[in-house]
Amino acid sequence: DTEVTQTPKHLVMGMTNKKSLKCEQHMGHRAMYWYKQKAKKPPELMFVYSYEKLSINESVPSRFSPECPNSSLLNLHLHALQPEDSALYLCASSLQEEGNQPQHFGDGTRLSIL
Amino acid sequence: EDQVTQSPEALRLQEGESSSLNCSYTVSGLRGLFWYRQDPGKGPEFLFTLYSAGEEKEKERLKATLTKKESFLHITAPKPEDSATYLCAVQYRNQAGTALIFGKGTTLSVSS
Repeated sequence: DTEVTQTPKHLVMGMTNKKSLKCEQHMGHRAMYWYKQKAKKPPELMFVYSYEKLSINESVPSRFSPECPNSSLLNLHLHALQPEDSALYLCASSLQEEGNQPQHFGDGTRLSIL
Repeated sequence: EDQVTQSPEALRLQEGESSSLNCSYTVSGLRGLFWYRQDPGKGPEFLFTLYSAGEEKEKERLKATLTKKESFLHITAPKPEDSATYLCAVQYRNQAGTALIFGKGTTLSVSS
């Protein structure tokens, strides 16, 4: 079992739907991350939150909207996605963004866009 | 250009046949090198952190080593349950602060 919990595990949505992915950690980590991973590729960084503030946005399309309500929670709001957005979405956390401690990953949400 | 390269891309071993996976990097200002294991449909599972050349870490059948240019993940007498994709990630200093680059991974298959 991982210490980073992601829900839902699977999500199928149409291109006009609005949905949210959720991530939770209780390790006291102050940096949280969203990654996108396509099959047989490494994780690709999307967003970084540090102390609940958005630190990095890797030029992600606005149809992806992150939110960090508190130090334990991270959401990713989805709207008007495209079929090419189908992927495994991973959440990770680390002690601090600028530290050299490893990131710990959840098991992801498998997203399919119809 | 800062890069992380893993080799081989895929490795097939017989149970008990020891081997090594390689992760070479060309970043400056290394802050840490991380090894992860990823099973299909799961998130990467953290294995080791290495911070400086000469450092070694061990866990069961796995041993990670680090030099100034590369890291090796040695697998001794592997079992079928060691089959997974092994990812290497390098954290380094850049103009924005720090960055993390993942290699493309090595997919290991161990047959009995």
